[in-house]
Amino acid sequence: EAQVTQNPRYLITVTGKKLTVTCSQNMNHEYMSWYRQDPGLGLRQIYYSMNVEVTDKGDVPEGYKVSRKEKRNFPLILESPSPNQTSLYFCASSQGIFNNEQFFGPGTRLTVL
Amino acid sequence: GNSVTQMEGPVTLSEEAFLTINCTYTATGYPSLFWYVQYPGEGLQLLLKATKADDKGSNKGFEATYRKETTSFHLEKGSVQVSDSAVYFCALMPGTSYDKVIFGPGTSLSVIP
Repeated sequence: EAQVTQNPRYLITVTGKKLTVTCSQNMNHEYMSWYRQDPGLGLRQIYYSMNVEVTDKGDVPEGYKVSRKEKRNFPLILESPSPNQTSLYFCASSQGIFNNEQFFGPGTRLTVL
Repeated sequence: GNSVTQMEGPVTLSEEAFLTINCTYTATGYPSLFWYVQYPGEGLQLLLKATKADDKGSNKGFEATYRKETTSFHLEKGSVQVSDSAVYFCALMPGTSYDKVIFGPGTSLSVIP
């Protein structure tokens, strides 16, 4: 089954404790992206990757890191989480960026205390 | 730059009512336009899309027409059901040159029996 998977689905952590949210897709997609969803703000893009070893900042990259060492995986790293990073996070992938549908993971709800 | 404006709601309708959710955009080049739907507790999934002016996207009784002259992509459905209760996102993806993916803020729809 074609899908985007994220882990963990729920995470409660404390300020400053490094964490990684994994994202994996099995569709051989070139393009992957991370979004955060906050009430009243909709989806905002954090980082995106056009292909392996190619990443770039989205609209809200501060406090986040990503890597793209393999085509299928695109982890999101919070080196020192803060309470303002409490949010619902979505990973998405598509076959290229131009005019193509994005496939979304189920989301990761992160709470930083 | 690119931007998407969308009525924010929430919208509450009775079953079998007519639905319109307005979406307008600003874009350089020739973007593709999408409507995504997010059911409670799930990630976003594509509802319909249109890739050029005057195209009509349709799916599950929903329709939207790409109107370049009014820079609009309004979502419509003739008779909503309780199962249509969800959040609807209008999105813009670049055409000939890369730019960030832009989502509208989302419109929450509740359909009551």
